[in-house]
Amino acid sequence: LAKTTQPISMDSYEGQEVNITCSHNNIATNDYITWYQQFPSQGPRFIIQGYKTKVTNEVASLFIPADRKSSTLSLPRVSLSDTAVYYCLVGEGPAAGNKLTFGGGTRVLVKP
Amino acid sequence: DAGVTQSPTHLIKTRGQQVTLRCSPKSGHDTVSWYQQALGQGPQFIFQYYEEEERQRGNFPDRFSGHQFPNYSSELNVNALLLGDSALYLCASSPYPRTEAFFGQGTRLTVV
Repeated sequence: LAKTTQPISMDSYEGQEVNITCSHNNIATNDYITWYQQFPSQGPRFIIQGYKTKVTNEVASLFIPADRKSSTLSLPRVSLSDTAVYYCLVGEGPAAGNKLTFGGGTRVLVKP
Repeated sequence: DAGVTQSPTHLIKTRGQQVTLRCSPKSGHDTVSWYQQALGQGPQFIFQYYEEEERQRGNFPDRFSGHQFPNYSSELNVNALLLGDSALYLCASSPYPRTEAFFGQGTRLTVV
């Protein structure tokens, strides 16, 4: 399984854009990149998933360069409620729901 | 539509005892996975059930066992509890074979 590396923590302010970069140097051809969000005492929640280039949904954007060795989750205009831990996962298949391998995640603190 | 529900929400057990945690998957989902999340760490995959059989297993000892019922609900059993088993236990469901995983709120197990 491809290992991921992401910053331990990030601080931001309300209304700003938050970009979290994840490194996955040994990503395999069949691997997809998935991001989950987790609030304290809750289970993780799926945010976005992609294979290459750019994916956007109502919550976030995911940028994946051509070599796919990294990816960047972009959260536009964050609010206090976006304070959470964000996990970058790399796994086989379109959604890799079979067996998710979580790293330590990035703790994002949004300040007023 | 009820999401993934887990019971109980909190549990305190004594070292050496046995515990059973329960999970009802999201409607329409037939695959259930269990994760253990220690404080400050990402969730770790325990095992996955599909068609009432264990399909994949993470690096957990045989003290951890499970079961899936015909209605797709699942149980996680842990025998001979250790202090180190204290964690948030998360259940995730998805429609087979590989799609986005939906997590429950978890069961907080404390072993004293």
